[in-house]
Amino acid sequence: DVKVTQSSRYLVKRTGEKVFLECVQDMDHENMFWYRQDPGLGLRLIYFSYDVKMKEKGDIPEGYSVSREKKERFSLILESASTNQTSMYLCASTGQGRGYTFGSGTRLTVV
Amino acid sequence: AQSVTQLDSQVPVFEEAPVELRCNYSSSVSVYLFWYVQYPNQGLQLLLKYLSGSTLVESINGFEAEFNKSQTSFHLRKPSVHISDTAEYFCAAAGGSYIPTFGRGTSLIVHP
Repeated sequence: DVKVTQSSRYLVKRTGEKVFLECVQDMDHENMFWYRQDPGLGLRLIYFSYDVKMKEKGDIPEGYSVSREKKERFSLILESASTNQTSMYLCASTGQGRGYTFGSGTRLTVV
Repeated sequence: AQSVTQLDSQVPVFEEAPVELRCNYSSSVSVYLFWYVQYPNQGLQLLLKYLSGSTLVESINGFEAEFNKSQTSFHLRKPSVHISDTAEYFCAAAGGSYIPTFGRGTSLIVHP
């Protein structure tokens, strides 16, 4: 069974901290994505990557960066966490247009 | 880029009643359509998808959706819901870039 694994289900961080959210997939997918999910706003795309060391900004990249050093791993980085980044973060991967496989999500609280 | 509209933010329904969750997308030459389900405190799971071929697609748990090109719709239906169907449902559409755009979600609440 294909899997996308997000390393943490729940995280609590302080304002100003540097935060790393990790995502690993075992499907040899080229494309990986980071979304944040907020009530009433649905899913908003932060960044995506279509190959190792390649990255593209999504709809709301401000305050975030990403890293993809290996095909199976896609990391989301909050350089200096702020309270408005409290959210559910979802990682996903896909092959060519066949639908995403999502991780279970990381609920981040910034205090 | 695609845009996706889910017309209802919440749909309350009694158990064993039929339900329809509505989804409209912006027109595109080619489009791939998806429904995802999110149970409480979980990630999203693919429920069903339309890529090409038959316009009626079905999932293993009794949901179905019909691709209607003229109305640019992909509504999700189930003839008889269960309590366990209570969840958030997201419609998504992808064009040639394969990157889906998601709707804002519809919360299906099934009452006993």
